[in-house]
Amino acid sequence: KNEVEQSPQNLTAQEGEFITINCSYSVGISALHWLQQHPGGGIVSLFMLSSGKKKHGRLIATINIQEKHSSLHITASHPRDSAVYICAVLHAGGTSYGKLTFGQGTILTVHP
Amino acid sequence: DAGVIQSPRHEVTEMGQEVTLRCKPISGHNSLFWYRQTMMRGLELLIYFNNNVPIDDSGMPEDRFSAKMPNASFSTLKIQPSEPRDSAVYFCASSLGPSHNEQFFGPGTRLTVL
Repeated sequence: KNEVEQSPQNLTAQEGEFITINCSYSVGISALHWLQQHPGGGIVSLFMLSSGKKKHGRLIATINIQEKHSSLHITASHPRDSAVYICAVLHAGGTSYGKLTFGQGTILTVHP
Repeated sequence: DAGVIQSPRHEVTEMGQEVTLRCKPISGHNSLFWYRQTMMRGLELLIYFNNNVPIDDSGMPEDRFSAKMPNASFSTLKIQPSEPRDSAVYFCASSLGPSHNEQFFGPGTRLTVL
């Protein structure tokens, strides 16, 4: 079983829809990242959070440490949101301290 | 700041050749990470450095791979000899520190080994 699991793997939406991408993990973490990778290949960090909720524009990220679960929400989705969204956890300690482990990514396509 | 700089952006080489990928982290960042991305395995950490010292190289696939960070502004990832299964996109990222800090990714080097 992977340490980081994302769902769904593929997501298709119509412009304007509310989107949720989920991430579950099984290891102790000090923080969780949400990354965005566009078709051109570049990777951009959207959020880094260790508790609660963060909001940036139409994007909201939440994390529940007790349940080892995080969600990324996109409100009023737009075709330019089409990308791969990747969840990554920062290991808390031990020999993996500072190491990022990645989910397999969620491919989001938003149609106009 | 120009962000994390990687070179070359694309590399095509023949099996058996030596390949060297280069990375310049963001000035002032103390941690540097090398990742590999393939369709089959997604993103994987290969190695990371903190203050130029390798901290975790457990992700380095085998002895053909080596990484160095001779100073705070430069790192290399070398594959010798290269094999077709090394074909992937290699990303370098840097952060202020290894933990609780946002990582900034370079544009990646797309490596094709024929």
